[in-house]
Amino acid sequence: QKEVEQDPGPLSVPEGAIVSLNCTYSNSAFQYFMWYRQYSRKGPELLMYTYSSGNKEDGRFTAQVDKSSKYISLFIRDSQPSDSATYLCAIPFPPRAGANNLFFGTGTRLTVIP
Amino acid sequence: EAGVAQSPRYKIIEKRQSVAFWCNPISGHATLYWYQQILGQGPKLLIQFQNNGVVDDSQLPKDRFSAERLKGVDSTLKIQPAKLEDSAVYLCASSLVVDTEAFFGQGTRLTVV
Repeated sequence: QKEVEQDPGPLSVPEGAIVSLNCTYSNSAFQYFMWYRQYSRKGPELLMYTYSSGNKEDGRFTAQVDKSSKYISLFIRDSQPSDSATYLCAIPFPPRAGANNLFFGTGTRLTVIP
Repeated sequence: EAGVAQSPRYKIIEKRQSVAFWCNPISGHATLYWYQQILGQGPKLLIQFQNNGVVDDSQLPKDRFSAERLKGVDSTLKIQPAKLEDSAVYLCASSLVVDTEAFFGQGTRLTVV
């Protein structure tokens, strides 16, 4: 079983839609959960990170963690064409906020259609 | 602030040849990482440096891959000899210290034919 599983999509939505991106993980010891955005032919950039369970909001983006079901989600409200990218969930282990041994999901490719 | 610089951007080699990638991290960043991203997969950590010392190279295929970070600044990653399955994007990232946000370069896309 992989440490992090992510639906690879692709996902195509109209502009203004609410997008839901999801990952599941296997190790209950994981504490930090990250979302990266990767534009085509670019390196990943950190979008958000959360610690333990709960929600974290940043503008149009909301990250949600449900540790009881080992499920993490990223919601994008009022999606824009500029949000078109691949979104990767990532979990550091040992559970620290840094990039030491990040377990990445496979990424979900999102296209927002104008 | 300049980002992480990598070169070359693209490289095509034949199997069994050798290849080297170069990374210049953000100025002042002590921690440097090399990741391998195979098409359709998430990045996988190959090696982590703290200044010029190796912190973690547990996932580096040491029979063919090597990396160094002389003087604690620039780093090179070498593959010798290359195999078809080494075709991937090689990403370099750096962070101020461990446990702070890592910034990724654009990567080097390697194709082994």
